[in-house]
Amino acid sequence: GDSVTQMEGPVTLSEEAFLTINCTYTATGYPSLFWYVQYPGEGLQLLLKATKADDKGSNKGFEATYRKETTSFHLEKGSVQVSDSAVYFCALSEWGATNKLIFGTGTLLAVQP
Amino acid sequence: DGGITQSPKYLFRKEGQNVTLSCEQNLNHDAMYWYRQDPGQGLRLIYYSQIVNDFQKGDIAEGYSVSREKKESFPLTVTSAQKNPTAFYLCASSGGEADTQYFGPGTRLTVL
Repeated sequence: GDSVTQMEGPVTLSEEAFLTINCTYTATGYPSLFWYVQYPGEGLQLLLKATKADDKGSNKGFEATYRKETTSFHLEKGSVQVSDSAVYFCALSEWGATNKLIFGTGTLLAVQP
Repeated sequence: DGGITQSPKYLFRKEGQNVTLSCEQNLNHDAMYWYRQDPGQGLRLIYYSQIVNDFQKGDIAEGYSVSREKKESFPLTVTSAQKNPTAFYLCASSGGEADTQYFGPGTRLTVL
């Protein structure tokens, strides 16, 4: 079945450092890809999405490009802030009628001042 | 403000008791979902409903039940048959962009 693999954390960075969180997927059909962010004790917030190959999703300085040839959707940000500290989840929406989301295990990002 | 509300935020129950978690949305979304989150893990789908009066089991439905009598409401009951119910429960919904789910703030259930 479909699956998502993302890099294990925690990822610890200094403020203004460059961020990459790797995400690869296995899927049949043409899934949409997502990054969600979860702050402590809260629900998930949609960060960005891409619906087809070569699409780039972007929001709040974060970017990710849907790479079908490498089955990847890596999250990047040029300069992280302390307020970016959270858990980041990569997910795909199963192709077909159900639109079920398949999640990775999450990556904890800790940004130090 | 449109959104998804879950109540309560924290819930404590004794072992062997059933408990119902509330999920309400005013986004006019057709589909609603329940997920379970355990520490250090991704989310796992419990049940989902794509339309009123219809719902399907997800990957870990055993020990849970749901109903969908109204478009805006999708309550989840954690029954005494659920072996390890202590977890963080998240409700989500999707609408016009059917592949995109929006999440509520979650309910943390602790069974003592």
